[in-house]
Amino acid sequence: QKEVEQNSGPLSVPEGAIASLNCTYSDRGSQSFFWYRQYSGKSPELIMSIYSNGDKEDGRFTAQLNKASQYVSLLIRDSQPSDSATYLCAVTERADGLTFGKGTHLIIQP
Amino acid sequence: EPEVTQTPSHQVTQMGQEVILRCVPISNHLYFYWYRQILGQKVEFLVSFYNNEISEKSEIFDDQFSVERPDGSNFTLKIRSTKLEDSAMYFCASSDGTDDEQFFGPGTRLTVL
Repeated sequence: QKEVEQNSGPLSVPEGAIASLNCTYSDRGSQSFFWYRQYSGKSPELIMSIYSNGDKEDGRFTAQLNKASQYVSLLIRDSQPSDSATYLCAVTERADGLTFGKGTHLIIQP
Repeated sequence: EPEVTQTPSHQVTQMGQEVILRCVPISNHLYFYWYRQILGQKVEFLVSFYNNEISEKSEIFDDQFSVERPDGSNFTLKIRSTKLEDSAMYFCASSDGTDDEQFFGPGTRLTVL
């Protein structure tokens, strides 16, 4: 059974601070790792993908992957109120369906 | 920017009725997926479709479910005899297969009464 675990939160972060979101996964065969953002009542929106160990930066977002620890994280720098959403961690083997975590509810306090 | 579209946005049906949910994936994408999200729960994979056949399906995707690509643009999910527990948001996603990134449509909210 493939599992992805996330702290459901809510995680409350002051505006302008760094938000740190974490995820662990059970399937060692996982090859591709994603962070999606989901606003209430909306569909998941892809914000980051990462495939190899280390860090990957895109604008205010940094994804980190450690396959040995089966751990993925997302850092959001200079957090904005518009970043308030649920962040979903998802993993897959090659071209398979995504296995999602339950998501972490992030609240950015103005 | 190309996007996945889904129709209808909301479908209300009676228990036992058949429903067809429709999706138009991004035009150059080759891999298609259906997911569902029951209110307050996580997004769950249902089925993946590639080269005109199912490539993977989850335990949720039982004989009541079927998928079809009836033409070059549409991708459909049929639920033959809906149950109350089928009430959920259904998301279609597509990928070009080069990097496994999947892009989601806006979803269809299915309500079974």
